[in-house]
Amino acid sequence: KNQVEQSPQSLIILEGKNCTLQCNYTVSPFSNLRWYKQDTGRGPVSLTIMTFSENTKSNRRYTATLDADTKQSSLHITASQLSDSASYICVVSAGPGGSYIPTFGRGTSLIVHP
Amino acid sequence: EAQVTQNPRYLITVTGKKLTVTCSQNMNHEYMSWYRQDPGLGLRQIYYSMNVEVTDKGDVPEGYKVSRKEKRNFPLILESPSPNQTSLYFCASSPDEIAYEQYFGPGTRLTVT
Repeated sequence: KNQVEQSPQSLIILEGKNCTLQCNYTVSPFSNLRWYKQDTGRGPVSLTIMTFSENTKSNRRYTATLDADTKQSSLHITASQLSDSASYICVVSAGPGGSYIPTFGRGTSLIVHP
Repeated sequence: EAQVTQNPRYLITVTGKKLTVTCSQNMNHEYMSWYRQDPGLGLRQIYYSMNVEVTDKGDVPEGYKVSRKEKRNFPLILESPSPNQTSLYFCASSPDEIAYEQYFGPGTRLTVT
């Protein structure tokens, strides 16, 4: 069964600090991996998307990495801001034969304190 | 402004009373999908559509119906809602299902009593 596991479940950091969120998956065949940011009560917003051949992608202060061999991804947030407080969701989509149905992780809840 | 809209945003209804949640996108996207989000669980896909008149089941389709008669609209239909369908629902769209980011709507919070 396709699964996406995220860690930690929750994280509290001080404003200005860096942090790294983890995502491990067992989705096969692999098509792409996406990271989303979801503010409370709102729809997820895409941060990055990576296909099999990509191992890093950046979007402003967010940098995602992908190791397709170990089936792991990380999302690094640099110089955190109060507005980074949100849930971060890792989503892995299955490729041909897997109908491209996405499997969502349960998210990491990040709280940034001043 | 490019966006995905959903209506209603909040709905309280009773068991068995048919309801429809509308979803519309103005980006000419081919791919649209519906998700539900429950506390402690990740988002789960209900149905998706790769193009007009093409729909398929996601992970949790039981109790739901969809239609895609026009490219921009993808309504979610609950013929006979039950309390276990109380959830936060999101509609999303993207140019295709493979490599592009999905744009999510603002969500519809449904309570079935």
